[in-house]
Amino acid sequence: AQTVTQSQPEMSVQEAETVTLSCTYDTSESDYYLFWYKQPPSRQMILVIRQEAYKQQNATENRFSVNFQKAAKSFSLKISDSQLGDAAMYFCAYRSSSNTGKLIFGQGTTLQVKP
Amino acid sequence: EPEVTQTPSHQVTQMGQEVILRCVPISNHLYFYWYRQILGQKVEFLVSFYNNEISEKSEIFDDQFSVERPDGSNFTLKIRSTKLEDSAMYFCASSEEANTGELFFGEGSRLTVL
Repeated sequence: AQTVTQSQPEMSVQEAETVTLSCTYDTSESDYYLFWYKQPPSRQMILVIRQEAYKQQNATENRFSVNFQKAAKSFSLKISDSQLGDAAMYFCAYRSSSNTGKLIFGQGTTLQVKP
Repeated sequence: EPEVTQTPSHQVTQMGQEVILRCVPISNHLYFYWYRQILGQKVEFLVSFYNNEISEKSEIFDDQFSVERPDGSNFTLKIRSTKLEDSAMYFCASSEEANTGELFFGEGSRLTVL
């Protein structure tokens, strides 16, 4: 069975600086998707960035980028030029390419952004 | 921007009572999901639903749970006889496609079982 682990329950970053959130996963599959979701307080989870396992190039979305290390089963999220609005719970998630959309989540990392 | 909406935002119930949590997925989406998060624990998959039937369910989703799409817009999760351990945040999600489509989540319904 696949598992996702986020070992950092809480992180903090100074506004305008860069922070990296860690995620590792375990799977025997070769084809899958990885995601980072953001959940602001009392708001719904929204997709930040996704990575297809077959793609070697790391995904980027504006200030958000990932470091995808397939062999190491690592999928970290880098947030550059952090803004106050980035403060939220961040979830790493795994999805098999062969299933019905089921996501397997990590425990989440709470990111605090200090002004 | 289209959103997944969930009601109620918070429900308190007595153990043994039936609860129905409601969700209105995004209108052109075909795949629907329920997830739950017990306080302090991971978000866990419960069930996925497509074409008016369950396409996948987790071991959590036992006989006390059921899902239904009673009309063209609502997607409900029924818990038949609630237990203390059912207290959690329940998230509904929908997507256009199963394998590649982004899941859009609602804000969640907090269920407290006393």
